[in-house]
Amino acid sequence: GQQLNQSPQSMFIQEGEDVSMNCTSSSIFNTWLWYKQDPGEGPVLLIALYKAGELTSNGRLTAQFGITRKDSFLNISASIPSDVGIYFCAGPYTGTASKLTFGTGTRLQVTL
Amino acid sequence: NAGVMQNPRHLVRRRGQEARLRCSPMKGHSHVYWYRQLPEEGLKFMVYLQKENIIDESGMPKERFSAEFPKEGPSILRIQQVVRGDSAAYFCASSSPGQGAVLITDTQYFGPGTRLTVL
Repeated sequence: GQQLNQSPQSMFIQEGEDVSMNCTSSSIFNTWLWYKQDPGEGPVLLIALYKAGELTSNGRLTAQFGITRKDSFLNISASIPSDVGIYFCAGPYTGTASKLTFGTGTRLQVTL
Repeated sequence: NAGVMQNPRHLVRRRGQEARLRCSPMKGHSHVYWYRQLPEEGLKFMVYLQKENIIDESGMPKERFSAEFPKEGPSILRIQQVVRGDSAAYFCASSSPGQGAVLITDTQYFGPGTRLTVL
């Protein structure tokens, strides 16, 4: 089946630093989604990407849909304490409009 | 405008008991999805339902698990004769269909989850 691998698995950064994380797939995705999950809560959609090469921003977040359609990147600029959480990439299964495959997650912890 | 609601938020069951997890989709949403998340892992798809229909249950274990989304009321995920390995967070998501059909870009909104612990 389709697998999404995220790196790094976890990261500690200082407040104010920029963050980069990526997601790679063994197969092509036509849509890339980035979710954030706070402790004890469900995932919240941050950014959706629909076209290869697309670069989309949402406040301090910027995500890119890789040209090969097998990867995506999420950048967070000037991190703040509330950025703490787990970031997941996700995409729809090939040929299926509905069910999502989730990545392994990147756990972000910010030190003051 | 309430989001996706799930209850209970925490559920403790002993081995062999039944667990019932409820999900009320966002207002106007007719599609419901259930996902399971084990500790330190991503979410895994279980089942996709529309009102009174199971559309895709390819992620559901063949035994003990069932799901429904009746015409009236919440969607229910039922786990019979729970075992310790069923301990996980169960998330429900809902979406609204696009024009005429579910689109690939149909946004799924997630509930806060039910954390099931089997003793």
